[in-house]
Amino acid sequence: GAVVSQHPSRVICKSGTSVKIECRSLDFQATTMFWYRQFPKQSLMLMATSNEGSKATYEQGVEKDKFLINHASLTLSTLTVTSAHPEDSSFYICSARRTGASGGTQYFGPGTRLLVL
Amino acid sequence: QKEVEQNSGPLSVPEGAIASLNCTYSDRGSQSFFWYRQYSGKSPELIMSIYSNGDKEDGRFTAQLNKASQYVSLLIRDSQPSDSATYLCAVDTAYGGKLIFGQGTELSVKP
Repeated sequence: GAVVSQHPSRVICKSGTSVKIECRSLDFQATTMFWYRQFPKQSLMLMATSNEGSKATYEQGVEKDKFLINHASLTLSTLTVTSAHPEDSSFYICSARRTGASGGTQYFGPGTRLLVL
Repeated sequence: QKEVEQNSGPLSVPEGAIASLNCTYSDRGSQSFFWYRQYSGKSPELIMSIYSNGDKEDGRFTAQLNKASQYVSLLIRDSQPSDSATYLCAVDTAYGGKLIFGQGTELSVKP
């Protein structure tokens, strides 16, 4: 299989602080990782595509200065929520794309639940 | 706008029955199709991938793809209460591996 980890699994922070979430592909290299956000009872929302060694590509409406993404190695991407506010409270999920003969497959991390007080 | 459509459900089936989940997509250029299962409060988990027309079986799961009709389905045989979850259909795009997800179908398997 393909294993993707995320850390931390849960974080509570005060409004105005920054929070960093790590996403690691444990048994494969991933040139591309993705960051999603999901609110309760809603669908996954893609925030950005993270490419190793280059700038992330953000989806329309996602503030790149607020959600900083770094993909410095083939196994690690980080998402930093800067100056977090209560409306940023959500379930953040990363995925890593494993390429193969048939194309690529996204494997998801377990997610990080962020609560901003 | 490329779209992936699923019935939102909930779909309720009795234990032991066959659950049938359907998905249509708009982009004829799509080549890769995926089914993910998401339990409440958890992240999505890959169930099946399918790339060619026809059926692909894996245990109790069968994925069916018909590119001419732009239709992909997932059959779950001998449904169990543990299969109760939201099932997400996902279709690839030409944009660096991005997937387009359907809104998900909630499946409830009643004992």
